[in-house]
Amino acid sequence: GAGVSQTPSNKVTEKGKYVELRCDPISGHTALYWYRQSLGQGPEFLIYFQGTGAADDSGLPNDRFFAVRPEGSVSTLKIQRTERGDSAVYLCASSGTGTGGRTDTQYFGPGTRLTVL
Amino acid sequence: AQSVTQLDSQVPVFEEAPVELRCNYSSSVSVYLFWYVQYPNQGLQLLLKYLSGSTLVESINGFEAEFNKSQTSFHLRKPSVHISDTAEYFCAVSGTGRRALTFGSGTRLQVQP
Repeated sequence: GAGVSQTPSNKVTEKGKYVELRCDPISGHTALYWYRQSLGQGPEFLIYFQGTGAADDSGLPNDRFFAVRPEGSVSTLKIQRTERGDSAVYLCASSGTGTGGRTDTQYFGPGTRLTVL
Repeated sequence: AQSVTQLDSQVPVFEEAPVELRCNYSSSVSVYLFWYVQYPNQGLQLLLKYLSGSTLVESINGFEAEFNKSQTSFHLRKPSVHISDTAEYFCAVSGTGRRALTFGSGTRLQVQP
């Protein structure tokens, strides 16, 4: 398993329900990112973890969205009281720490397609 | 704040013709620039990146991009495209103090026989 994996690949839920999306990063990668890609758009940043802590959560659209990474590896994105506008492909990426302050390449998973009916 | 503009949403081109996909960015800090490609029914893959040094960067499959600081551009070029290059191409930027990527809206390259 060399790449980033995400489960489930597809999730259909009803408006108002709670959903959890899981990301398994590349082994040894300390940084983990969540993005959301709506139809016809580029991915939009949601949140970034360095280790177990959220280093930047400025992209979370509102307090219905929350993410955790309790052991510094697997991460779960949680969406409460889902709305139809939350329908999108949710992408996870991971990277190494980078050296000298440089950013490191982000490797993306296949995504979870969330459909809110 | 950072932003990326990909002016062309679709670029149709014939096989073996040259192509240029345009990308312009804005940023208040030093930038790192990326092109990602998304083939049909596949995830995002890094095509090439500029971090520092030579402003001309190349990919293993014949694409190249040049960082032009004065024009704030990072256009992607290939001298001769193949059918297999048909995909969605995304330009992205990150920068000093901001590791998250800001993506453009994408350009769909359609290579026709």
